[in-house]
Amino acid sequence: DGGITQSPKYLFRKEGQNVTLSCEQNLNHDAMYWYRQDPGQGLRLIYYSQIVNDFQKGDIAEGYSVSREKKESFPLTVTSAQKNPTAFYLCASSPRTGGFYNEQFFGPGTRLTVL
Amino acid sequence: AQTVTQSQPEMSVQEAETVTLSCTYDTSENNYYLFWYKQPPSRQMILVIRQEAYKQQNATENRFSVNFQKAAKSFSLKISDSQLGDTAMYFCAFSLRGGATNKLIFGTGTLLAVQP
Repeated sequence: DGGITQSPKYLFRKEGQNVTLSCEQNLNHDAMYWYRQDPGQGLRLIYYSQIVNDFQKGDIAEGYSVSREKKESFPLTVTSAQKNPTAFYLCASSPRTGGFYNEQFFGPGTRLTVL
Repeated sequence: AQTVTQSQPEMSVQEAETVTLSCTYDTSENNYYLFWYKQPPSRQMILVIRQEAYKQQNATENRFSVNFQKAAKSFSLKISDSQLGDTAMYFCAFSLRGGATNKLIFGTGTLLAVQP
């Protein structure tokens, strides 16, 4: 089955700790994205990557970091610098970017709670 | 900068009835895409329907159709013959055509409850 997997589904973190959220896709997509979802708000873009070893900040990148060492993987690290990290995090991928739109496919999400 | 506004936080409809969800957006660009995404209780985001701004014809997908008014910057979603499985959060989203990314800009969502 082709798709996007995110792990874990639920994640708990103590204040001051860094934590890494996993996102893997086997759709052979070039582009990958991380969104954050808070109650009463839509999804907001944290980081995106159009190609391996390259990524750009989205609208709310402060306190987050990413890497893109493999086409299939785009992990997100929530650092202790993120002031309000409790949220639902969604990963997405699309075939390519630029020129015309390619549908973004979403993973099932990770719920992060800071204790 | 582009913005997307959904002014109906919650709506309710009886099963088999028709409901319309509203969305307005703001942009100075002429070429873009508009979307409706569905997020059921499982929280999986599912694309419902897509509209290309350069097309005048409104998009339809089975029971789902849109009313795209480009001059008014309005993009409403009509769900016909509502089913219990339509209960979900619905997000309107915008993306530039020909941009460097497929960045999606989302509205705040409308929670739709279909009542039996």
